[in-house]
Amino acid sequence: EPEVTQTPSHQVTQMGQEVILRCVPISNHLYFYWYRQILGQKVEFLVSFYNNEISEKSEIFDDQFSVERPDGSNFTLKIRSTKLEDSAMYFCASSESREETQYFGPGTRLLVL
Amino acid sequence: AQSVTQLGSHVSVSEGALVLLRCNYSSSVPPYLFWYVQYPNQGLQLLLKYTSAATLVKGINGFEAEFKKSETSFHLTKPSAHMSDAAEYFCAVRGSNFNKFYFGSGTKLNVKP
Repeated sequence: EPEVTQTPSHQVTQMGQEVILRCVPISNHLYFYWYRQILGQKVEFLVSFYNNEISEKSEIFDDQFSVERPDGSNFTLKIRSTKLEDSAMYFCASSESREETQYFGPGTRLLVL
Repeated sequence: AQSVTQLGSHVSVSEGALVLLRCNYSSSVPPYLFWYVQYPNQGLQLLLKYTSAATLVKGINGFEAEFKKSETSFHLTKPSAHMSDAAEYFCAVRGSNFNKFYFGSGTKLNVKP
């Protein structure tokens, strides 16, 4: 069964460093999403992406964040200058269309020291 | 606006007992509702979804949920808990513009032998 994959599974970084989280969505899906889950809190929407552009972003998704689909298979989330409060589990998701179910990857646990 | 409330951050049941995880939603449009399960150190796996067809929805692993518009509820049930059901369960509602999901805080299910 096709699945969303994410790398790395864990990332430790120093405050102020740039990180890139990578996702490979399901191959025939056209809509891509990033969510995050701070420890003990809700899963929160960050951004949705379609047709090579952001379709919606939350207030969390400020200028420090960016997303890119650099090729036909990868979907990346970049945090330019990490802060302590960026420590969280980051989930990538994809869907065939806006109306269809979003399928989630296993997540990347980011720890900013 | 859409939101989801999950009552009970922790639920403990004995093996073989009924599982009931509560979810109430708020939605300005007819809701599309989902339950996801997260096993330790894994991603979010879709259990079941309601998309305005049958009000009783059957999912994987013997789980089902009933959509009750009058109560704005979408509670998850399983007649007989199994040790392997121990996980965290998230209820989610899709946003009115289809771009994102709104998640509840999650309920951790503990199954006692």
